[in-house]
Amino acid sequence: QQQVKQSPQSLIVQKGGISIINCAYENTAFDYFPWYQQFPGKGPALLIAIRPDVSEKKEGRFTISFNKSAKQFSLHIMDSQPGDSATYFCAASMTDSWGKLQFGAGTQVVVTP
Amino acid sequence: DAGVTQSPTHLIKTRGQQVTLRCSPISGHKSVSWYQQVLGQGPQFIFQYYEKEERGRGNFPDRFSARQFPNYSSELNVNALLLGDSALYLCASSLETQYFGPGTRLLVL
Repeated sequence: QQQVKQSPQSLIVQKGGISIINCAYENTAFDYFPWYQQFPGKGPALLIAIRPDVSEKKEGRFTISFNKSAKQFSLHIMDSQPGDSATYFCAASMTDSWGKLQFGAGTQVVVTP
Repeated sequence: DAGVTQSPTHLIKTRGQQVTLRCSPISGHKSVSWYQQVLGQGPQFIFQYYEKEERGRGNFPDRFSARQFPNYSSELNVNALLLGDSALYLCASSLETQYFGPGTRLLVL
């Protein structure tokens, strides 16, 4: 049973465009929501993370929007670049099991020149 | 500073064999978590160890076991390998945020 549902499965965006990836969760005990970027043959790398006490967090070109009542959160990649082409995973965990991340299925993003 | 390191990088085994994967966490990190990532899917949690104690176990059979050593490095053991165990095995170390290593690619023939 997948506790974090991610969409879309894949995304093609032009250079300079905005990539938007959405995730939804069921378990209201989740209180930490990171996004990871993974390139082929590499381990996931942390991009940005948010806790439910804020509705938005921005780091450079990456923004997380969080809607606690809807149990949804999303990643926006502004001014997408070809180097952003990768697979992106949302994840969630809870304080009393902080070492256990529940991952979404991933979104493959391709940025065309 | 060195990140999370894992060895070996690649491994080929046959069905029924046993395998041991190794992980060294970031210096100062006392927690290590193991994940299995099947091609095209998100990582699935297998184990977490903190201060040499198991703190969490995912939905994996007893063929999977792990341990953590006094220097906080960790080993993941898988017995009686099945074809379906072919995957990228990831180790993550953390204080709070999890940082992943490059993984060990296991192929079971």
